[in-house]
Amino acid sequence: NAGVTQTPKFRILKIGQSMTLQCTQDMNHNYMYWYRQDPGMGLKLIYYSVGAGITDKGEVPNGYNVSRSTTEDFPLRLELAAPSQTSVYFCASSSGTGVNQPQHFGDGTRLSIL
Amino acid sequence: GQQLNQSPQSMFIQEGEDVSMNCTSSSIFNTWLWYKQEPGEGPVLLIALYKAGELTSNGRLTAQFGITRKDSFLNISASIPSDVGIYFCAATSNDYKLSFGAGTTVTVRA
Repeated sequence: NAGVTQTPKFRILKIGQSMTLQCTQDMNHNYMYWYRQDPGMGLKLIYYSVGAGITDKGEVPNGYNVSRSTTEDFPLRLELAAPSQTSVYFCASSSGTGVNQPQHFGDGTRLSIL
Repeated sequence: GQQLNQSPQSMFIQEGEDVSMNCTSSSIFNTWLWYKQEPGEGPVLLIALYKAGELTSNGRLTAQFGITRKDSFLNISASIPSDVGIYFCAATSNDYKLSFGAGTTVTVRA
């Protein structure tokens, strides 16, 4: 099983450029999440989705946008890249929020903005 | 997000040693999770705890959900070289938004 797949694995952007980080899952999970991980810090939630067509802000949403047109895909968009957005981005999914329904993570996208 | 205080920040292990780390918070949670992250990969779930006081094992790993619902610990017994990595605690209340600790980096002592 592929699980949660993120592309690209690495990317360097110039300040002001835009890009979309792709995330897809093949587990038919309703819940999907985007996190960022900064050095020496835990993961922080950017956006999440409880199902196709529904998205909501997490803890650190500024500078990002998401969409959820299908159950499988949950892309994260940076419109005007800033150095503060240099980070490792993780996508995750879960079948629900209850017992034995933990979040499964992709391998991350390492993004540098110069 | 609600803050989780994870300690120690880093530790060095020697093969065969037992390892302990913990997370505390001023907030009450309904679920505590422990993840391990290796270089270039995403976090992988090790143990999930859903009930206050619960003690759960997964091989050489043992974790407990604190009775106050504000803390959790993870023990690794008889450590081996492949135990190196970053261990994260995470917790949630009655929703799906996880709060994460800053991680404990486990390194093999030379």
